[in-house]
Amino acid sequence: EAGVAQSPRYKIIEKRQSVAFWCNPISGHATLYWYQQILGQGPKLLIQFQNNGVVDDSQLPKDRFSAERLKGVDSTLKIQPAKLEDSAVYLCASSLVRGGYEQYFGPGTRLTVT
Amino acid sequence: DQQVKQNSPSLSVQEGRISILNCDYTNSMFDYFLWYKKYPAEGPTFLISISSIKDKNEDGRFTVFLNKSAKHLSLHIVPSQPGDSAVYFCAARGVGGSQGNLIFGKGTKLSVKP
Repeated sequence: EAGVAQSPRYKIIEKRQSVAFWCNPISGHATLYWYQQILGQGPKLLIQFQNNGVVDDSQLPKDRFSAERLKGVDSTLKIQPAKLEDSAVYLCASSLVRGGYEQYFGPGTRLTVT
Repeated sequence: DQQVKQNSPSLSVQEGRISILNCDYTNSMFDYFLWYKKYPAEGPTFLISISSIKDKNEDGRFTVFLNKSAKHLSLHIVPSQPGDSAVYFCAARGVGGSQGNLIFGKGTKLSVKP
């Protein structure tokens, strides 16, 4: 069974530029999560999708971050414009059902904003 | 305000001995507690869980203990092996409006020396 795929693995941009990350969850997993992990911290949930609908985006900085999961499968997370404090690893995870505590994580995208 | 705390950033143990990783939480509105393991350049992987109505769960070399009165849980690894060297994240699953949302601690880096 293929795991959660993410691309790119690494990205370096200048502040005020925009960037997009892509995630393809495990086949059949209805719930998809985006996390932000700043160096030295644990992953922090940004947004949770159930199929193609948002169920929780309370911690997403909506003035600059956006995410979509149009067909209920893969998802993109965008930052526009980026700030220095957005430097982090962005992790995508999926679970079979909503509320499933066993979440499967992708390898993450390491973003550096200079 | 951290709801899940791992106060030890690192732990070093000799191969074959017991590793004990600790975690404290401040919110009683969690129904499951989890441990995730993370190797460098990979996403976290689920290791073991415990329901809030249990006080112990065992899976091979891994045992998690939950002390609800102290709002404390611990992960015991016996015997420790060099391949266990990784960052271990404690996480708690919220209930109610945040159902399914995991809140992670900052992690503890375990080093098992041969």
